Amino acid sequence: DQQVKQNSPSLSVQEGRISILNCDYTNSMFDYFLWYKKYPAEGPTFLISISSIKDKNEDGRFTVFLNKSAKHLSLHIVPSQPGDSAVYFCAASAGLTGGGNKLTFGTGTQLKVEL
Amino acid sequence: DGGITQSPKYLFRKEGQNVTLSCEQNLNHDAMYWYRQDPGQGLRLIYYSQIVNDFQKGDIAEGYSVSREKKESFPLTVTSAQKNPTAFYLCASSLQGRSGNTIYFGEGSWLTVV
Repeated sequence: DQQVKQNSPSLSVQEGRISILNCDYTNSMFDYFLWYKKYPAEGPTFLISISSIKDKNEDGRFTVFLNKSAKHLSLHIVPSQPGDSAVYFCAASAGLTGGGNKLTFGTGTQLKVEL
Repeated sequence: DGGITQSPKYLFRKEGQNVTLSCEQNLNHDAMYWYRQDPGQGLRLIYYSQIVNDFQKGDIAEGYSVSREKKESFPLTVTSAQKNPTAFYLCASSLQGRSGNTIYFGEGSWLTVV
């Protein structure tokens, strides 16, 4: 049961344009969402997060939008740069009974920013 | 520099052998985690620990064991009972083990069974 889904395995965008990466989730208990960027054979790097009480969070070129009613979030990168080329993972967390924090990841979207 | 250090980066294991992956953090984080990534898939949680001397199973704990004797260290043992151990293993930590705390990752360890 894939609770966090990234339905686009890849995305190609021209340098300077907007990149939009999408993520859908099914578990209504998720209350915190994160985006990570990952290069091959390296650990994921945290990019940006959003709490379920918000619908937008912005950090420089990165903006995350959350639509709770649709159980959908998206990451916007403007303007896209060649160095943004990587795999982007969407992740979600919910408080666990007895405490604890467990991130559930999507399968990732490979972003390629072309010159 | 503060961070999460995993070792070794690459490890080869013969079938039937146990191997231990090291994870050390100097971020003073209470919670630590082990994830596994297979090609074309997301990360799946193996084990996590909220405090010293305590840990819980994640989604795919079978064939793995952990210990948390020190706050800074959370080693993962891949036992011979793990049927498909070849994967990329990621250690992570967060300030506290509750939702809303960002989880930070180490650089990962590649394990290959030969």
